[in-house]
Amino acid sequence: SAVISQKPSRDICQRGTSLTIQCQVDSQVTMMFWYRQQPGQSLTLIATANQGSEATYESGFVIDKFPISRPNLTFSTLTVSNMSPEDSSIYLCSVGLAGVYEQYFGPGTRLTVT
Amino acid sequence: QKEVEQNSGPLSVPEGAIASLNCTYSDRGSQSFFWYRQYSGKSPELIMSIYSNGDKEDGRFTAQLNKASQYVSLLIRDSQPSDSATYLCAGGTASKLTFGTGTRLQVTL
Repeated sequence: SAVISQKPSRDICQRGTSLTIQCQVDSQVTMMFWYRQQPGQSLTLIATANQGSEATYESGFVIDKFPISRPNLTFSTLTVSNMSPEDSSIYLCSVGLAGVYEQYFGPGTRLTVT
Repeated sequence: QKEVEQNSGPLSVPEGAIASLNCTYSDRGSQSFFWYRQYSGKSPELIMSIYSNGDKEDGRFTAQLNKASQYVSLLIRDSQPSDSATYLCAGGTASKLTFGTGTRLQVTL
């Protein structure tokens, strides 16, 4: 597996502002993913962060709202833009290691939008 | 829409009993299946993976996969209070996993 950290662990933000969440892995990984987990619900994939190219977004998620960067094989950021209370959620990054299908999750970022 | 379905529970079992959690999936293209354990306020933790039909055992955990029936299960033997958590079933490929809504397990003393 890999050691994954996320910053910040939690934040309270005002409507209309943006928050950038960082995900750092202690080793180079092939795949990095961003998920959202709304209260009492399961995980929804937002996008796959591709190193050196634009992220691949799932249906219902757009780059203008959730811009993603992945400058190298150990780091990615997710920005939640122009936030509304509906964006209040836990945001999780996960990584997939080369040659295996398993995904490992970071500790998550708990976002509250007021 | 590709789905993974689980009973939300709660599933209540006494300490020392076997807990049986079940999951069905709709996407026949799914190649790999996983069980994650999620404690309240924590992120999901991978506990089992299974890729081929049959059983896979790891300690007190046994995962079962039946691709013909599109069915995945997790058995937890000698259940402990520390097993009380939400168990998420996931299926998919290396490029995408779909998660179920989770089954909440309560192990009672």
